[in-house]
Amino acid sequence: QTVVTQEPSLTVSPGGTVTLTCASSAGAVTSAYYPNWFQQKPGQPPRALIYSTTNKHSWTPGRFSGSLLGDKAALTLSNVQPEDEADYYCLLYYGGAGWVFGTGTKVTVL
Amino acid sequence: QVQLQESGPGLVKPSETLPLTCTVSGGSISDYYWSWIRQPPGKGLEWIGYIYSSGITTYNPSLKSRVTISVDTSNNHFSLRLSTVTSADTAVYYCARAVIGDKGNWFDPWGEGTLVTVSS
Repeated sequence: QTVVTQEPSLTVSPGGTVTLTCASSAGAVTSAYYPNWFQQKPGQPPRALIYSTTNKHSWTPGRFSGSLLGDKAALTLSNVQPEDEADYYCLLYYGGAGWVFGTGTKVTVL
Repeated sequence: QVQLQESGPGLVKPSETLPLTCTVSGGSISDYYWSWIRQPPGKGLEWIGYIYSSGITTYNPSLKSRVTISVDTSNNHFSLRLSTVTSADTAVYYCARAVIGDKGNWFDPWGEGTLVTVSS
């Protein structure tokens, strides 16, 4: 079974910048994996932030951006706000095997 | 706008089948993919599978032998059945719409989720 790995936790200061990554045990992540990113706060369902690597939803704050960084997908949070403290999950597409979520990153704003 | 609502038993006995339904309101179930995702307490998300409105399914290979997803376009809902459950299947189960197409692939909206506990 394919494993998608993210940093377990990251800490960032308010106003700072942090980059989360998403790696696949199957090899380099490309746009063909259609990387999606979700934010989840306690007791809430996940909220979609980024789709197909770089695309933002209409509700996605401008300080969130998606990209490919080396052989991984990446989510960058700029000018971090206290309300950005949450768990973040990536999601990758594996064709006939469907989709696989990443292990998740807990972002602490301190 | 489109809203999703999960429903089903909150408690299922080990070895039995877990049945859940997701009701779609505010829009048609046609021409989209409809997904099930779960999250064990305190753990990460797991994609279970999805069904296109025509009935074509794709399942997580690790769950494929136990999962059935079906769609009822007349009543605008889709369903999950997970057989032979164990305590490892205890989780919050979410349904979500998936858009798969030329404009990109995304999962939104999501339901609020329903906690299913497997216990005797």
